[in-house]
Formats: sequence, C-alpha cells, structure tokens
Amino acid sequence: EAGVAQSPRYKIIEKRQSVAFWCNPISGHATLYWYQQILGQGPKLLIQFQNNGVVDDSQLPKDRFSAERLKGVDSTLKIQPAKLEDSAVYLCASSFLVSGELFFGEGSRLTVL
Amino acid sequence: DQQVKQNSPSLSVQEGRISILNCDYTNSMFDYFLWYKKYPAEGPTFLISISSIKDKNEDGRFTVFLNKSAKHLSLHIVPSQPGDSAVYFCAASAGNDKLIFGTGTRLQVFP
Repeated sequence: EAGVAQSPRYKIIEKRQSVAFWCNPISGHATLYWYQQILGQGPKLLIQFQNNGVVDDSQLPKDRFSAERLKGVDSTLKIQPAKLEDSAVYLCASSFLVSGELFFGEGSRLTVL
Repeated sequence: DQQVKQNSPSLSVQEGRISILNCDYTNSMFDYFLWYKKYPAEGPTFLISISSIKDKNEDGRFTVFLNKSAKHLSLHIVPSQPGDSAVYFCAASAGNDKLIFGTGTRLQVFP
C-alpha cells in the first residue's frame, strides 16, 4: 500500500517569497491533515480536512497560509508571503477515520532566509 | 499552553536494558493517547496507543501505561535495541478533536 506522498522534500526561499507544498494521502483516507513542526517542538496542527471540507483551521495563520483539497483527494498548502519563523517541516498526514491513527508523509522541510 | 509535556528532551539507554519515556498532560478531557516514533528525515510513525478506559496496553516490546489520576503516561521498551534510537512523541486527543503532540524525547540506545 502506498504511503502519504509529499513534495518537494526540501525548499529554500527568501522571506516575502511564496511557496507551495503538495500532499497525496493514502487511497481511501477521507481525513487529511497539515502539521507544522518547528525544530525542537512537536507537530502542530494547521488544518484538517474531511473529504474536501475544512474541519479545523483554528491554528492556521490565515493572513499568509492557505490550503485546499478541491477534489477530496490531494491537497496543497501555500505560504505567501513567507516569514523567517515559517522555517519548519510541514507534515501531511491522513487517516481513515476522523479519530483514527494518523499516517504521516516524510515531510517538506522549508528554510526561509 | 502546553497541554502535553515531555519533560525529558533526551534519554540514553544501554542495549538490552529498559527504556522509559514519560509524558504528562493537563487536559482531563483527553481520552485517547498515542506514541509516535520518528527517525531523521522521515515522518512520524504510529507505535502504540491507549484508551482512557485502560491503564495498560502491550505490543511486543512496547508497553504504554496510563495513570489518569496523575495525568501521566509512560512508554516502556524492553529490551531496548539500537534500532529503537529515534525521537518519540506522545500525543493526546479528546473525543474526535485534534491530536496534541508533546515536544518529543530523543532516545539513544548504545551497545
């Protein structure tokens, strides 16, 4: 069974530039999550989708971050404009059930200079 | 407000001995707890979980203990192996609410 796919694995940009990350969840998983993991901290939920609807985006900085899951399958997370403090690993995860086990992708490491 | 706390950033254990990783939480509504393991440059992978109706769950070398009155859970690895060297995250949720992760404990198992 294919796991959660994410791209790109690494991205380096300058502050005020934009960046987009892509995620393809495990087939059949209706729930998709984007987490931000800053060095030395645990993953923090940015947004949770159930199919193509948003369940929780309370911790998403909406002035600069946006995410979509138009067809209820893959998803894109965008940051525009990026700030230095956005340097982190962005983890995508999916689950079959809303409260079920999360399966994580390898993450996309963002460095903002 | 850190609802899930892992106060030990690192732990070093000799191969064959027991590793004990600790986690404390503050939210009494949490009813489901999980441990995830993370190798460098990989995403976290699920290790073991426990529901609040239990106080112990075992899976091979891994056992999780839950003490609800103390709001404390621990992960025991017996015997520890070099391949267990990784960062371990404790996570908790309340009902269908989002998972809250701790800051992680880096375990190093040496020969």
